[in-house]
Amino acid sequence: QVQLKESGPGLVQPSQTLSLTCTVSGLSLTSNSVSWIRQPPGKGLEWMGVIWSNGGTDYNSAIKSRLSISRDTSKSQVFLKMNSLQTEDTAMYFCARNPKGTDFDYWGQGVMVTVSS
Amino acid sequence: DIRMTQSPASLSASLGETVNIECLASEDIYSDLAWYQQKPGKSPQLLIYNANSLQNGVPSRFSGSGSGTQYSLKINSLQSEDVATYFCQQYNNYPLTFGSGTKLEIK
Repeated sequence: QVQLKESGPGLVQPSQTLSLTCTVSGLSLTSNSVSWIRQPPGKGLEWMGVIWSNGGTDYNSAIKSRLSISRDTSKSQVFLKMNSLQTEDTAMYFCARNPKGTDFDYWGQGVMVTVSS
Repeated sequence: DIRMTQSPASLSASLGETVNIECLASEDIYSDLAWYQQKPGKSPQLLIYNANSLQNGVPSRFSGSGSGTQYSLKINSLQSEDVATYFCQQYNNYPLTFGSGTKLEIK
């Protein structure tokens, strides 16, 4: 069955770079697109960006200058890197399958990231 | 960016009741709309896509409708397990955007 699982550090210092990994199983990254979505505590959902099945990417313009999404198809992993973190980047970060860039039909459990010194 | 305005922000209803949640898009999204259910401490789960198509495994008491800029999620015969926050999401244009959520509680 399709599964996604996020991993990464729970605590990041302000101004530092966040690195997260989404490990997928039950699907091929060369025929599926995967997005990153985040949710600050008690708040709504923000789409961050997508890596398409062909390896191309699209980002939310609000954070585009700080964000990079890449992948390693041999390891079935998708990576998120975001620099210049601030306290407002504290959130639960999810990866999700995003068929043809539409809805999100499979989600990971999420990883909580706190930005604090 | 397409703004998704969701209402109400919170809702309290009795078991067995029917509830409706609304989502208004800032422009026509041509039924490119999904609904999600998020239970506390969990990731969102897809309920409805293409405005009115039920995702596999979702109970038939959930249904979606609408067109243009106005959409709604209907839950018939409210069950205790329906306590959650519900979000709409448009995928007509990038960036993909979500409504602010409706928190559903049982009276």
